[in-house]
Amino acid sequence: SQQGEEDPQALSIQEGENATMNCSYKTSINNLQWYRQNSGRGLVHLILIRSNEREKHSGRLRVTLDTSKKSSSLLITASRAADTASYFCATDERYNQAGTALIFGKGTTLSVSS
Amino acid sequence: KAGVTQTPRYLIKTRGQQVTLSCSPISGHRSVSWYQQTPGQGLQFLFEYFSETQRNKGNFPGRFSGRQFSNSRSEMNVSTLELGDSALYLCASSLGQPPYEQYFGPGTRLTVT
Repeated sequence: SQQGEEDPQALSIQEGENATMNCSYKTSINNLQWYRQNSGRGLVHLILIRSNEREKHSGRLRVTLDTSKKSSSLLITASRAADTASYFCATDERYNQAGTALIFGKGTTLSVSS
Repeated sequence: KAGVTQTPRYLIKTRGQQVTLSCSPISGHRSVSWYQQTPGQGLQFLFEYFSETQRNKGNFPGRFSGRQFSNSRSEMNVSTLELGDSALYLCASSLGQPPYEQYFGPGTRLTVT
């Protein structure tokens, strides 16, 4: 089952511009994570935001979380060609159980051209 | 620390065969999860092992199984392979306790012909 749904599905920008991706989910969560995947390779963990946090920063990344709207956004500032990748949000479906079962959205494909 | 490693990286099998994939987690991580990624279904959770016990399971048929050893290394087995099992299989490790940040390996690309 898909928990997170990213929007847009694809995004093309120029180097130096900002990129914003959105994620919506369906059920209550403990936290939400964002991952990056380069061309069919493994996923790289970018940032985790807890359900009691509203905003978090990491370098050029800014993540917001609105639990009332069940949505999150990932902002990449001053994009570089190396940011070209697919970006996924992931939530933990098992809210009240121990363990990890990340549910991923279908991702946003970001293309940054120079 | 060394990252998550997966072997083999690429595999070609014939329909009906079985396959075993291996994953070595980050040192100190006790939880290993497996995911299947296909163009059509995206990333889907297979199962999670913690301290040699399956702790969570996704909606996959019984042909998909796994196990975890005392050193936290994990294997995933798929029996009676079908064409639809062609996918990138990703392994992720974590400490196994909240907030469950997961660190992924490079994946095993399985092609079933």
